Amino acid sequence: SQTIHQWPATLVQPVGSPLSLECTVEGTSNPNLYWYRQAAGRGLQLLFYSVGIGQISSEVPQNLSASRPQDRQFILSSKKLLLSDSGFYLCASTGRLSFTDTQYFGPGTRLTVL
Amino acid sequence: GENVEQHPSTLSVQEGDSAVIKCTYSDSASNYFPWYKQELGKGPQLIIDIRSNVGEKKDQRIAVTLNKTAKHFSLHITETQPEDSAVYFCAASPNPPTNFGNEKLTFGTGTRLTIIP
Repeated sequence: SQTIHQWPATLVQPVGSPLSLECTVEGTSNPNLYWYRQAAGRGLQLLFYSVGIGQISSEVPQNLSASRPQDRQFILSSKKLLLSDSGFYLCASTGRLSFTDTQYFGPGTRLTVL
Repeated sequence: GENVEQHPSTLSVQEGDSAVIKCTYSDSASNYFPWYKQELGKGPQLIIDIRSNVGEKKDQRIAVTLNKTAKHFSLHITETQPEDSAVYFCAASPNPPTNFGNEKLTFGTGTRLTIIP
């Protein structure tokens, strides 16, 4: 089965600083990868998804960007963080090894922007 | 696009009783409906899913029912236990996971379930 790693687990950053969150996936190849954000006590908002290396689709306009430099690596970045970027960031993966594969989530990164 | 509504937003149930969470969706093309459980500070975990060719699916104390005509699906947890306390999310997608497609899930807003000992 898939294993999704995210780091760091928690991060506190000042407004205006850069951001880099990393996600790596084990146990599958050529997955679809997703970044979600979850505000405190709220639902899941899809930010980006990728169907392959270098292929990124953005769901909402925002201060963030995503990149996929390798098949099982997905990175979320920002040049200058805003207070509104605070939240719980989740990476997810849909494997392609079988027709029954579904979407699995990583453990998340809690970002606090001060 | 798809819109998924989830009710109730909070639910408190006495230990041993049943809990029911309901979701409705808008896109008749949706045919894959997973449920996720999220414990505090963790990522969501898939607990059960159902596809449109099935009306009901059961896994031990958890069951999901689907009514495609009415566009609603429900999660049923029987004999609730304290460890069932968590936030539960429903979701819908027009694409079942395949080797060729890109499936995007639309999530409900979540239900905070509290089991009272």
